[in-house]
Amino acid sequence: DSGVTQTPKHLITATGQRVTLRCSPRSGDLSVYWYQQSLDQGLQFLIHYYNGEERAKGNILERFSAQQFPDLHSELNLSSLELGDSALYFCASSVGGGYTFGSGTRLTVV
Amino acid sequence: DQQVKQNSPSLSVQEGRISILNCDYTNSMFDYFLWYKKYPAEGPTFLISISSIKDKNEDGRFTVFLNKSAKHLSLHIVPSQPGDSAVYFCAASALTGAQKLVFGQGTRLTINP
Repeated sequence: DSGVTQTPKHLITATGQRVTLRCSPRSGDLSVYWYQQSLDQGLQFLIHYYNGEERAKGNILERFSAQQFPDLHSELNLSSLELGDSALYFCASSVGGGYTFGSGTRLTVV
Repeated sequence: DQQVKQNSPSLSVQEGRISILNCDYTNSMFDYFLWYKKYPAEGPTFLISISSIKDKNEDGRFTVFLNKSAKHLSLHIVPSQPGDSAVYFCAASALTGAQKLVFGQGTRLTINP
């Protein structure tokens, strides 16, 4: 157990739908990062939050949004889902240079 | 723009031999480099890191080498064990990790008995 909790582990939904992925960072970590891993691809950075504030945006589509709440958990909202959004979505938390990853949410859009 | 590249999608090595995984980067602002290991159905786990002020860092069977002039780093695993079979990601960041990590595409390492 890495201490970073992601729910749900698996999600199957239809095109056009909206889903919310949840991440709870390790106790004491203020930063939450979201990454997407598509088939045979590396980890693509989506967005970074620090203590409730957005710090950096990567290759995140306009249909995707995220937020970090006062208790430091974060949610990634994916809307108007397309088949190509099927991927593993990881969150990671950090204090300092290294990240600790959750076990990911596997999203399948059918 | 792929700032961190792992050009070998897969690597197969005999148990007991040395595994060498390679990674190239293009951004000269990167000053902190990490290797992560990922098993199926799990998140990546941190393996070893190196700061740009060093050219080698060793931790047990794992050694990371950094060649700043070539913008190249490598991970050596010796001796390789079956449990080392996994996908290995190289990652880099600027400002000693304060910025986001940029990951390579990963190399799938298979250790054969």
